[in-house]
Amino acid sequence: AQSVTQLDSQVPVFEEAPVELRCNYSSSVSVYLFWYVQYPNQGLQLLLKYLSGSTLVKSINGFEAEFNKSQTSFHLRKPSVHISDTAEYFCAVTKVNNAGNMLTFGGGTRLMVKP
Amino acid sequence: EAGVTQFPSHSVIEKGQTVTLRCDPISGHDNLYWYRRVMGKEIKFLLHFVKESKQDESGMPNNRFLAERTGGTYSTLKVQPAELEDSGVYFCASSHSLAAGTDTQYFGPGTRLTVL
Repeated sequence: AQSVTQLDSQVPVFEEAPVELRCNYSSSVSVYLFWYVQYPNQGLQLLLKYLSGSTLVKSINGFEAEFNKSQTSFHLRKPSVHISDTAEYFCAVTKVNNAGNMLTFGGGTRLMVKP
Repeated sequence: EAGVTQFPSHSVIEKGQTVTLRCDPISGHDNLYWYRRVMGKEIKFLLHFVKESKQDESGMPNNRFLAERTGGTYSTLKVQPAELEDSGVYFCASSHSLAAGTDTQYFGPGTRLTVL
């Protein structure tokens, strides 16, 4: 079985400051990793994912995450946040070659960007 | 292209009553998933349909929950009778193909269920 731990339930940060949202996972098999974002009153949207290849993956809105296999981590970073980044962020994994593709989620991190 | 839609957005019912949640996936998506988030905890998998067939229902909490996907289009999740611990947000997601874990799941906005 897999498990995902998001160490911070809430992260307050001032606008234009850098931010890191931490994600660690546990799995006996290889996994794919995902970050989803949920803006207020909306569904979850895929932000970025790591499947294979370069361990650094980037989203179109400036976020990036790095897969670290030795530390079993997939932390999400952004060098300068905007008010519009205020949302809840979920880290998730699924087993490689998992026929069902079901996702295992962490508890979520609420990013609160203050002016 | 319309996204995944869920109805109702909110439901408040008394303990012992029945509630039916509906999910309309993105057109053409064979895979439909139900997830649940209880009391700010992790989002947890409930079950997975491939077209009209249940591929995996290992996450269904008990036999008070019944999911259907007649005709392989929309899906319903019925809770009968509802208990207090069933309160939470129920998410539906769909994806086009299984593609061994790489296919993106698209989520609906969720149904917030409150059982009093």
